[in-house]
Amino acid sequence: QKEVEQNSGPLSVPEGAIASLNCTYSDRVSQSFFWYRQYSGKSPELIMSIYSNGDKEDGRFTAQLNKASQYVSLLIRDSQPSDSATYLCAVRGQGAQKLVFGQGTRLTINP
Amino acid sequence: DAGITQSPRHKVTETGTPVTLRCHQTENHRYMYWYRQDPGHGLRLIHYSYGVKDTDKGEVSDGYSVSRSKTEDFLLTLESATSSQTSVYFCAISERTSGPSLADTQYFGPGTRLTVL
Repeated sequence: QKEVEQNSGPLSVPEGAIASLNCTYSDRVSQSFFWYRQYSGKSPELIMSIYSNGDKEDGRFTAQLNKASQYVSLLIRDSQPSDSATYLCAVRGQGAQKLVFGQGTRLTINP
Repeated sequence: DAGITQSPRHKVTETGTPVTLRCHQTENHRYMYWYRQDPGHGLRLIHYSYGVKDTDKGEVSDGYSVSRSKTEDFLLTLESATSSQTSVYFCAISERTSGPSLADTQYFGPGTRLTVL
């Protein structure tokens, strides 16, 4: 079992709809969770970080964390074509300095 | 922008030759990382550094070495490049944010595309 798992997609969502991206992790003591966006040929850029159970909202983005289920998700409201990218989930374990990344989910927003 | 540059940005080399990639940061961050990114594998950690002359291995360190003689520079060396090391290499730094650890959030440089023929 991989430490951090994401559906590789592609996930296709119509413009204006909600895109839902999911990530599960295996280390129960993981403390920090991150979502990165990566456009083709570019480097990953941080979108959201979340540390506590529940929802965290930033503009059109909402990160959701459920530590009991070892599950973290990213919702993108009012999806725009510019949101088309690969989204990477990353997890940091307790006391660890390293991040473990999922494979990424490729998201396409259709006009 | 976390003030990270990588050089070269693109390199083509031949099997068996040594290659050194450079990561330079301008903001005095303690932690620096080298990742490789390949289709189907995502980002995988090669080596990281937690201070000058302090480094440790990641999950795919075989065939790679690193050095950090100054806070601002982290070098990745392929002693004898192989075709399996063709990849995109990213450097990252981490800095303290509002997270639970001292240096929590990682920011990435622009990447180096390396092709080994």
